[in-house]
Amino acid sequence: EVQVVESGGGVVQPGGSLRLSCAASGFTFSRSWMNWVRQAPGKGLVWVSRINNDGSSTRYADSVKGRLTISRDNAKNTLYLQMNTLRGEDTAVYYCVRENLDYYAMDVWGQGTTVTVSS
Amino acid sequence: QSALTQPASVSGSPGQSITISCTGTSSDVGTYDLVSWYQQHPGKAPKLMIYEGRKRPSGVSNRFSGSKSGNTASLTISGLQAEDEADYYCCSYAGSSNPYVFGAGTKVTVL
Repeated sequence: EVQVVESGGGVVQPGGSLRLSCAASGFTFSRSWMNWVRQAPGKGLVWVSRINNDGSSTRYADSVKGRLTISRDNAKNTLYLQMNTLRGEDTAVYYCVRENLDYYAMDVWGQGTTVTVSS
Repeated sequence: QSALTQPASVSGSPGQSITISCTGTSSDVGTYDLVSWYQQHPGKAPKLMIYEGRKRPSGVSNRFSGSKSGNTASLTISGLQAEDEADYYCCSYAGSSNPYVFGAGTKVTVL
C-alpha cells in the first residue's frame, strides 16, 4: 500500500523548535519529489515547502523562509521538516504529500500531524 | 503569491449539478494547464479528484469534471450525492520558485 505517515507534532512555545518526520512506504521514495502542506484550524490548505528527489533542490513559501527547513533521508525513506523560531501562525495540521511529476499534482497525502504554538 | 479565489460555499439538491470556480492570475492558472482539485471531508486528509485541469485519477467518479477558461478553472459535480458534501480546494502550479498555490476552499452542502 502506498502511504506516508507523519509524526513529531506537539505543543511548543513561541520561539521554540520542532522536527516533523514523514515515513514513506509502498513506492520508490528516492525517485519522488515531496512537499509539506499545512492547514490552520478552520482554514484552507497552504503549500509550505518542496524538495526534489535527491534533496539537492528545495523551495519554501515566503511565510516560512529562513525558519523551516525541509530535508530527506532516502536510505530511511523519510522526509523531515525542521521548524525553528515558531510563531502562533504556524499552528496547523502539517501534511506530508507526494508530488506526481507526471502531472504536477499531489497524489498521496498523509493523515497529518498537529503543531500547536502556544505559551 | 496570493491564494486562488473560490466561492466560500456552494449548495445543491441531490441529483443536481453544481460548479465551483477557481480564479487565479496569468502567473498561475492562466499560464499552466496544471490545476488540480482536492476533496476534504471533516477531519480527513485531502484527496486528489482532478489533475491537469480535467483528468480524473483512477477510482474517482466520472461525476466529477474539470475545465478551464483563461485565468479561471472550474470543477463540476453532476448527479450530486450526500457523500459529495465536503470542502473542495483548487490548486495551481505556479512555476519553480513558488510551485503551488491553493484556493481558500469551497464548502459544498447537499441540501
